[in-house]
Amino acid sequence: RKEVEQDPGPFNVPEGATVAFNCTYSNSASQSFFWYRQDCRKEPKLLMSVYSSGNEDGRFTAQLNRASQYISLLIRDSKLSDSATYLCAVPGSSNTGKLIFGQGTTLQVKP
Amino acid sequence: EAQVTQNPRYLITVTGKKLTVTCSQNMNHEYMSWYRQDPGLGLRQIYYSMNVEVTDKGDVPEGYKVSRKEKRNFPLILESPSPNQTSLYFCASSRRLAAPYNEQFFGPGTRLTVL
Repeated sequence: RKEVEQDPGPFNVPEGATVAFNCTYSNSASQSFFWYRQDCRKEPKLLMSVYSSGNEDGRFTAQLNRASQYISLLIRDSKLSDSATYLCAVPGSSNTGKLIFGQGTTLQVKP
Repeated sequence: EAQVTQNPRYLITVTGKKLTVTCSQNMNHEYMSWYRQDPGLGLRQIYYSMNVEVTDKGDVPEGYKVSRKEKRNFPLILESPSPNQTSLYFCASSRRLAAPYNEQFFGPGTRLTVL
């Protein structure tokens, strides 16, 4: 099992739709989880951090399910500008500060 | 503005010609790290630094060196670049190693091509 796994998609949704991505992780001791957004050939930008059960910021909600070892990202009322790749990241188990990234989920929001 | 900066942003070089990619952060972060991103392989850590004069290898350190003489700077050195080091490189920093201060912020990236 990969340390961090995401469905690569692509997810093609119309504007205004609600879309959810899941990310599974293998290290049950992980205490922090991150969602990043990456536009083509640009740097990952931190979207949300999750340290407990979940987090919400406007149209974006992240939820953590420790029992099943996954985190989800929900985007409500999708905008064209939400089109990007969404990366899930979890600190590695070796205490190096390394973030282990999933392969990313591509979202394309269409008019 | 709080940020991580990298230079150069784009570089084309030839095999064996030493190069340095600079990274600087203005947030007084203790932790800094270098990643490379390759298609199909995702982001992989090259080296990291927990503080000044404290550096260690990540997952793919071969062919790279780093130094951390000042808190704000963390240059990546390729002593003898080879074509397999052609990649997109990102520097990142976080306030500290441990949660909840371990949010990593990334620089704009350096696209390196080694011919």
